[in-house]
This record gives sequence, C-alpha cells and structure tokens, in this order.
Amino acid sequence: GAVVSQHPSWVICKSGTSVKIECRSLDFQATTMFWYRQFPKQSLMLMATSNEGSKATYEQGVEKDKFLINHASLTLSTLTVTSAHPEDSSFYICSARDRTVLSYEQYFGPGTRLTVT
Amino acid sequence: DAKTTQPPSMDCAEGRAANLPCNHSTISGNEYVYWYRQIHSQGPQYIIHGLKNNETNEMASLIITEDRKSSTLILPHATLRDTAVYYCIVRVANTGNQFYFGTGTSLTVIP
Repeated sequence: GAVVSQHPSWVICKSGTSVKIECRSLDFQATTMFWYRQFPKQSLMLMATSNEGSKATYEQGVEKDKFLINHASLTLSTLTVTSAHPEDSSFYICSARDRTVLSYEQYFGPGTRLTVT
Repeated sequence: DAKTTQPPSMDCAEGRAANLPCNHSTISGNEYVYWYRQIHSQGPQYIIHGLKNNETNEMASLIITEDRKSSTLILPHATLRDTAVYYCIVRVANTGNQFYFGTGTSLTVIP
C-alpha cells in the first residue's frame, strides 16, 4: 500500500515551453502533497506544500508564478513549470501524506526528470 | 526543525553491519528522528523513525542516545542494494509535515 506515482517519469522540452508533472496517490487520499527539486549530486529541496482545495504554500525563493501547483483532488497534485529554461532542468519529486492515518512518514513518488533544451 | 549533521560518505563491506551516525544537538523534546534513503535517481524511501526509545523494524535499527543529541542507523547485514544516500531528518510530528533534507551520507557497500 501507500504508493505514489508520477507522470511522466522523464520529459524533454524546449526552452520557453511549459511542462506539467502529475503526482498521484494510488491507494490513499492525500490532503497534503509536497514538491521537491533535486539537482545532480545535491539534496532534495522543498519547493512547496500543496493542500487540496487551497493555494499552495511556497518556500522562500521559489517563484510561485513559474511553478504552478494545483491540488484539485485528494489523489492528484500537478506541478507546471512555465516558460521553462535550461536552469529548470532537474529531478522533481513529490510526496504525500495519508489523510486517514496518523502516519509519521511521507510516501515519495519515483521522481520526474526534466530536461530543458 | 533542528539541523542535522552527517558524514558525507561511508563504505561498508557486504554482509557487515553499517552504522550511520547523525548529530542533532539542537533537537527539541517533541521532535522525532526520521531516516530515509535514496537510491540513485529514485524517490526517497522511508526506513525508520523514533522519538527517544530505540526502534527496530525489518529494514534497520535506530539507536538514539539518552540525551537525544545524536542517533545511529544500523543496517545489520548490508547488501549491495543498500548502496544509497541516507538522510537523517528531525521534525515535529504532524505539524506541517514538511521534511527539510540535509546533505545526507552516501553509503557504498563494497563486495
């Protein structure tokens, strides 16, 4: 149980275009999902907290107009990288917390590798 | 959330116990210690967590010092598949739920 999926697993896009990444909780409902970014040989950096039915909370230094987050249902959150540039190339990872369980751990997705050319 | 300090890298012989230390000297009384690991190009995987008592599960054991200022993750019989980056994180349970990852320890299990 407690599986989180991401789609796509990898994507290549041209500079200036937008790309959407989906994060789904497959067997549980998640009122809260989190988005992380990871550059090569670096640690995960929290970008934003996504709450179902409300606006996302962004970490300091993360541009909310560039990284659009939508959490329209209890099983789906999307991250849209708008007007992508090569410096946005990174590994994007989401995680989710099961709303029905007093659970201390987060369940992470497998990640999406974005390459902007 | 308290800051953690981990050695950047460690090696361990296959079949031996891997002991990964973590310092969290500023930990608060209501903060838990969590361990996650990340195998190359995958999402992090939960290993174990604890508050002040030692914990054990099918993957590992967590030893927390009495003053809670440090802890050690023990993989009892390391295999090649345990090669990964291991992250020690301290966090108050059920408050915001954000995880802030440090730099972690890159563990290499050697045949």
